[in-house]
Amino acid sequence: AQSVSQHNHHVILSEAASLELGCNYSYGGTVNLFWYVQYPGQHLQLLLKYFSGDPLVKGIKGFEAEFIKSKFSFNLRKPSVQWSDTAEYFCALGGKLIFGQGTELSVKP
Amino acid sequence: DVKVTQSSRYLVKRTGEKVFLECVQDMDHENMFWYRQDPGLGLRLIYFSYDVKMKEKGDIPEGYSVSREKKERFSLILESASTNQTSMYLCASSLAGAVGLTEAFFGQGTRLTVV
Repeated sequence: AQSVSQHNHHVILSEAASLELGCNYSYGGTVNLFWYVQYPGQHLQLLLKYFSGDPLVKGIKGFEAEFIKSKFSFNLRKPSVQWSDTAEYFCALGGKLIFGQGTELSVKP
Repeated sequence: DVKVTQSSRYLVKRTGEKVFLECVQDMDHENMFWYRQDPGLGLRLIYFSYDVKMKEKGDIPEGYSVSREKKERFSLILESASTNQTSMYLCASSLAGAVGLTEAFFGQGTRLTVV
């Protein structure tokens, strides 16, 4: 069965700090992975996606994620966060499009 | 721009009522999804549809049914609403291909309260 796990439920950072949000998945076949973001009061939108090829994928707003097959992981990173990055972040696994529990990121100005 | 529109932002219903949540997309997408979003649980898939009149159960279909009579419209039905169905409901759509392979676009959500 497919599943996605995000271990960090709430992360609090100061502006300019580096960010890494964990995502692990469980699936035996070819994987397609996504990160979505939900800003306060807004709908979910795609941050980045991995289908195949280069395991380091770049998304919007300076975000990137690395697919590590041996670790079943797809962690999201950003070198320097801004207050406007405050949002909830969701990792998702393609197929049935299964989502993780979400990580709430709060960035202090 | 893809637009996924959910008919209500907020809804309050009584226990035992039959509730209809409507979702319409304007991009001729084949795939449509219904999720519920609860704090600490993320998004959980209730049902998805890959074509008109076609549907598949997600992870939590109990107490729900769906209807897709037209390509652009996907309805979620709570046969007999209960308080544990109080939640935020999200609709999404995506292009054809293996489900989940292409980007999904989401509506604004319907916050349903069952009293």
